[in-house]
Amino acid sequence: GIQVEQSPPDLILQEGANSTLRCNFSDSVNNLQWFHQNPWGQLINLFYIPSGTKQNGRLSATTVATERYSLLYISSSQTTDSGVYFCAVGDTGFQKLVFGTGTRLLVSP
Amino acid sequence: ETGVTQTPRHLVMGMTNKKSLKCEQHLGHNAMYWYKQSAKKPLELMFVYSLEERVENNSVPSRFSPECPNSSHLFLHLHTLQPEDSALYLCASSPMGRNNEQFFGPGTRLTVL
Repeated sequence: GIQVEQSPPDLILQEGANSTLRCNFSDSVNNLQWFHQNPWGQLINLFYIPSGTKQNGRLSATTVATERYSLLYISSSQTTDSGVYFCAVGDTGFQKLVFGTGTRLLVSP
Repeated sequence: ETGVTQTPRHLVMGMTNKKSLKCEQHLGHNAMYWYKQSAKKPLELMFVYSLEERVENNSVPSRFSPECPNSSHLFLHLHTLQPEDSALYLCASSPMGRNNEQFFGPGTRLTVL
């Protein structure tokens, strides 16, 4: 099945810093989503982005499907951005999402 | 209620108990999913239902039994679980179709003693 790798596994930032999270995947995909998991476990949808670039406030994402990677950019980070960021891609099976192992982000004041 | 809701949010059960997890979606979707998040493994799919029919069972042990009575409700019936089944169980929903965005509930944190 498809493999999803995220980097870095852990990231510590000072408030106000910018960061880039990467997601590599091993095969063609028809769905790619970025999530933020808060400390209570809730997965919050950030982007649905099988290709192209999208922006939402301080966050933006780019997926280059032909090169099998996606990037999540966080600008002017805030302490509330702390948590785990997951990339998930749609496998060739019926709507199955395969998750990466996540990037754990800690933003300190 | 909006989005995807799950009850209970926390559950502690013994290995001989029987319990059920409930998921309800208020988004008008017709596909629903159960995912499991363990401490040491990535989030993994357990079951997929589309139009109340199971379309994928990801080799899950029979002590987990799903039920989808209609497109808005999904249950996961639990019996004779093991301590290693302790995990966060997440429900999701999406419009039917291969390329559609999935939305997740807040999860049920299960502890098996």
